[in-house]
Amino acid sequence: ETGVTQSPTHLIKTRGQQVTLRCSSQSGHNTVSWYQQALGQGPQFIFQYYREEENGRGNFPPRFSGLQFPNYSSELNVNALELDDSALYLCATLGGDTQYFGPGTRLTVL
Amino acid sequence: KQEVTQIPAALSVPEGENLVLNCSFTDSAIYNLQWFRQDPGKGLTSLLLIQSSQREQTSGRLNASLDKSSGRSTLYIAASQPGDSATYLCAVPPGGYNKLIFGAGTRLAVHP
Repeated sequence: ETGVTQSPTHLIKTRGQQVTLRCSSQSGHNTVSWYQQALGQGPQFIFQYYREEENGRGNFPPRFSGLQFPNYSSELNVNALELDDSALYLCATLGGDTQYFGPGTRLTVL
Repeated sequence: KQEVTQIPAALSVPEGENLVLNCSFTDSAIYNLQWFRQDPGKGLTSLLLIQSSQREQTSGRLNASLDKSSGRSTLYIAASQPGDSATYLCAVPPGGYNKLIFGAGTRLAVHP
């Protein structure tokens, strides 16, 4: 049990819609990262937040955006959904050098 | 650009076998290397983290080794059990940055 929770567990959207995914941690870790994992692949880094500021971004377009709140919980927002956005979205908090992952949100775009 | 490769992509073995999973990375300037386990449709569970200054780490039946100079890590699973069935992923943070670059994973099936 990592103490990292994500909501919702599953989500179905249609192309062009917008979605918000949420992540929270019981540990109080102040660094959170988001990853996208397509079926059969390893997770791909989207971006990282540290103390409410974006602290690095992977190769994802601006329609992927995020927020981190004072309690270190975080949101991932995706606008103008595309079919290829269908994936498992994972958030992770950093404790020391170890990344602790949540259970993920399965997003399906129809 | 750091790339991580895992071999084999899939493995099916009878219970009780000792296993070796391989991970290779192209840039040896890594801060550490982490092995994860992922059950189908679930999140990742951290198994072992090896710092760049270390050669290996052990946890129960798991042993991970790291050879930075050759860009390789191995995860050794002793006396495999059906409960070990999962996908095993290795990941490195490039240049000390806290994001992780993952391999595609090795899908392991241990049958009774």
